[in-house]
Amino acid sequence: AQRVTQPEKLLSVFKGAPVELKCNYSYSGSPELFWYVQYSRQRLQLLLRHISRESIKGFTADLNKGETSFHLKKPFAQEEDSAMYYCALGTGKLIFGQGTTLQVKP
Amino acid sequence: DTGVSQDPRHKITKRGQNVTFRCDPISEHNRLYWYRQTLGQGPEFLTYFQNEAQLEKSRLLSDRFSAERPKGSFSTLEIQRTEQGDSAMYLCASEESTNTEAFFGQGTRLTVV
Repeated sequence: AQRVTQPEKLLSVFKGAPVELKCNYSYSGSPELFWYVQYSRQRLQLLLRHISRESIKGFTADLNKGETSFHLKKPFAQEEDSAMYYCALGTGKLIFGQGTTLQVKP
Repeated sequence: DTGVSQDPRHKITKRGQNVTFRCDPISEHNRLYWYRQTLGQGPEFLTYFQNEAQLEKSRLLSDRFSAERPKGSFSTLEIQRTEQGDSAMYLCASEESTNTEAFFGQGTRLTVV
């Protein structure tokens, strides 16, 4: 079955603390993985994709095929990072996890 | 705004009525997707088009739902005989090709009363 699991509905950290949003996937093929973000009152937008191996807004994510994970990390959280984050598996269409709300407190 | 646009942004309808939503993708994008999102859940795939061809439909898409993309440009999603369970945010997205960046519209929020 093709599935994406984000185990945390809410992650609350203080500004400057490290952040890790967890994502695990289930897929028999070679996965294409993405992180999408939705800031308050804005549309869903791409944050990063594993194939580009970029760091966007200080976030990185490494694909670990052995653990079937694609966790999103940032060493020092900023208040403007507060948003809803979705991990997604690309199979032609996108299969999304349930999302994690990141709350960065001042 | 040259992004994906959806109309209307909000729709309140009585149970049993038909509703139609429109999506205008980014003009050079061949692929167009419809997703549905309910509270506390991630978006769920409904259907997608490659140009005017509807290539895949989810099992979520009951026979009350129909989608079209007649000229390979804008798309419409119609729900017939709406039910309260159809209340959700309906999202449209377009992308240039498979597994590139999907650009999302702001969604149409449907409330069935």
